[in-house]
Amino acid sequence: DQQVKQNSPSLSVQEGRISILNCDYTNSMFDYFLWYKKYPAEGPTFLISISSIKDKNEDGRFTVFLNKSAKHLSLHIVPSQPGDSAVYFCAASEGAGNQFYFGTGTSLTVIP
Amino acid sequence: EPEVTQTPSHQVTQMGQEVILRCVPISNHLYFYWYRQILGQKVEFLVSFYNNEISEKSEIFDDQFSVERPDGSNFTLKIRSTKLEDSAMYFCASAWLAGELFFGEGSRLTVL
Repeated sequence: DQQVKQNSPSLSVQEGRISILNCDYTNSMFDYFLWYKKYPAEGPTFLISISSIKDKNEDGRFTVFLNKSAKHLSLHIVPSQPGDSAVYFCAASEGAGNQFYFGTGTSLTVIP
Repeated sequence: EPEVTQTPSHQVTQMGQEVILRCVPISNHLYFYWYRQILGQKVEFLVSFYNNEISEKSEIFDDQFSVERPDGSNFTLKIRSTKLEDSAMYFCASAWLAGELFFGEGSRLTVL
């Protein structure tokens, strides 16, 4: 049973444009969400987080939006850069210190 | 910048052999995790460790798996008798408080 889903396995975007990566979850008890970026043969690198008390969190070029009623979150990257090309994972957890459930990832390619 | 370090980066072993994967979490972190990613699949939770004991484990983490924090700095994952399906990238992660996980670079385990 996949509690966190990323339905787009890949996405291509022109440099300078907006990248929008989507994530859906099924467990309404999830209250903390993370986005990670991963290059091949490296560990996931934390990008940005959001807790369920907020609906938006922004950090530089990265913004995460949370729609609790739709159980949906998205990561916006503006403007996209070639160095952003990587696999992006969303992850969600329920409660403090509990396991994170990861989505299957979306491979982003930013075309120069 | 503090980081999670993992050794070895790659280990090849014969089926049935014991394997120990080592991790040095970030020094002031309180929560410790092992995740794994089988090639082409999603990142899967194995176990979390807090206050010197396992706080949560997945169904993957059966009796063949164990974790230890023997000396207050290292955090090890032992697989007693490896199976072919244990071949994966194993990621250690740590967190200061519940929330943002910092991942290591991973240890690739190949079981022949």
